Amino acid sequence: GNSVTQMEGPVTLSEEAFLTINCTYTATGYPSLFWYVQYPGEGLQLLLKATKADDKGSNKGFEATYRKETTSFHLEKGSVQVSDSAVYFCALSGRYAGGTSYGKLTFGQGTILTVHP
Amino acid sequence: NAGVTQTPKFRVLKTGQSMTLLCAQDMNHEYMYWYRQDPGMGLRLIHYSVGEGTTAKGEVPDGYNVSRLKKQNFLLGLESAAPSQTSVYFCASSSPAGDGTDTQYFGPGTRLTVL
Repeated sequence: GNSVTQMEGPVTLSEEAFLTINCTYTATGYPSLFWYVQYPGEGLQLLLKATKADDKGSNKGFEATYRKETTSFHLEKGSVQVSDSAVYFCALSGRYAGGTSYGKLTFGQGTILTVHP
Repeated sequence: NAGVTQTPKFRVLKTGQSMTLLCAQDMNHEYMYWYRQDPGMGLRLIHYSVGEGTTAKGEVPDGYNVSRLKKQNFLLGLESAAPSQTSVYFCASSSPAGDGTDTQYFGPGTRLTVL
């Protein structure tokens, strides 16, 4: 079955530091890959996504590249801000030749990011 | 647009009690989902629906039932609550892209404690 593994957290950084959160996956078919973010007390919201190999998703200074050869989708940001403090989830949605996954998502365990001034 | 709303926001139950969580969306989405979020485990899919009147089991369906009588509403029921069902429950909805690239929109969550 499908699975997603994220780096262990929590991650604590100073403002303007470089961020990497690792994500690797196992999937059959041709998955789409997502990063969702959960700010304190809120539901999840889409941060970025990539739908095929070598695609790069980007949003709000965050980037992630779909690497099929390493089955990875690592999240990066060059300079984090205090407002980036949140929980980050990597997820995948399977796609199959001749079928559909109905958009069902498989999530990683989440990585807590705290950014200090 | 309100997006996805969930009722209630918090609830405390005693073991064996029943309750229903309500999810409503105003985006005319076909697909709706119920997830539970537990520490260190990410979100896990309980049940989902691909249209009015249809439901299907997800990864962790035991102990839960669902109904989708109206397109905009998706109800999650606990018939006999157990402490293992203490969790944060999220509802989500999406419009099918047909190729697995759908973006899901999440509600704010319901924090349920079963004593």
